[in-house]
Amino acid sequence: DAGVIQSPRHEVTEMGQEVTLRCKPISGHNSLFWYRQTMMRGLELLIYFNNNVPIDDSGMPEDRFSAKMPNASFSTLKIQPSEPRDSAVYFCASSLWVYGANVLTFGAGSRLTVL
Amino acid sequence: DQQVKQNSPSLSVQEGRISILNCDYTNSMFDYFLWYKKYPAEGPTFLISISSIKDKNEDGRFTVFLNKSAKHLSLHIVPSQPGDSAVYFCAAKGSAGTASKLTFGTGTRLQVTL
Repeated sequence: DAGVIQSPRHEVTEMGQEVTLRCKPISGHNSLFWYRQTMMRGLELLIYFNNNVPIDDSGMPEDRFSAKMPNASFSTLKIQPSEPRDSAVYFCASSLWVYGANVLTFGAGSRLTVL
Repeated sequence: DQQVKQNSPSLSVQEGRISILNCDYTNSMFDYFLWYKKYPAEGPTFLISISSIKDKNEDGRFTVFLNKSAKHLSLHIVPSQPGDSAVYFCAAKGSAGTASKLTFGTGTRLQVTL
């Protein structure tokens, strides 16, 4: 199993540009999570999907952020327009949810720098 | 509002000694707790977990203790090894009956010195 695959690993862009981060979860997993890591706030949950349906997007900072999961094997996180304060490492994670357990497997992350 | 807090941003321990990483939480609905380890340029990896019905869970050199009345958990690593140097995240979830989200702390960077 290749694990959770994220792309790009690094992205440098200018303020105002659109950024799209991609994630391929582990085959068979039914939950997908997007987290953002910053020094001040640690790992913040942005949004999560269960069976491709968005369940909780209360962590999405503002309307500039959007996420989709068109099928069980692919998800995107889009920032439009991007701002310097969006600079962070964005992690995608997936899990097979069973009652009482929720161990997430994380991808290697996408490091975003907005100039 | 940070519901899961790791008040020590860093910790340095000598090889062979015990490392104790602490975590506090505020949400009494949390009933399942996990520790993740993260190396640079990698995603966090699951280390150990504990359910609220227990107060201790052990896995080799790693033991997690849960004090529900104090809303506190700790991770003990004995003996500490240089390969344990990483950032450790505490995480919590509530309501075992749903695919609910994990809430993470800000992390503690452990440095194990020779």
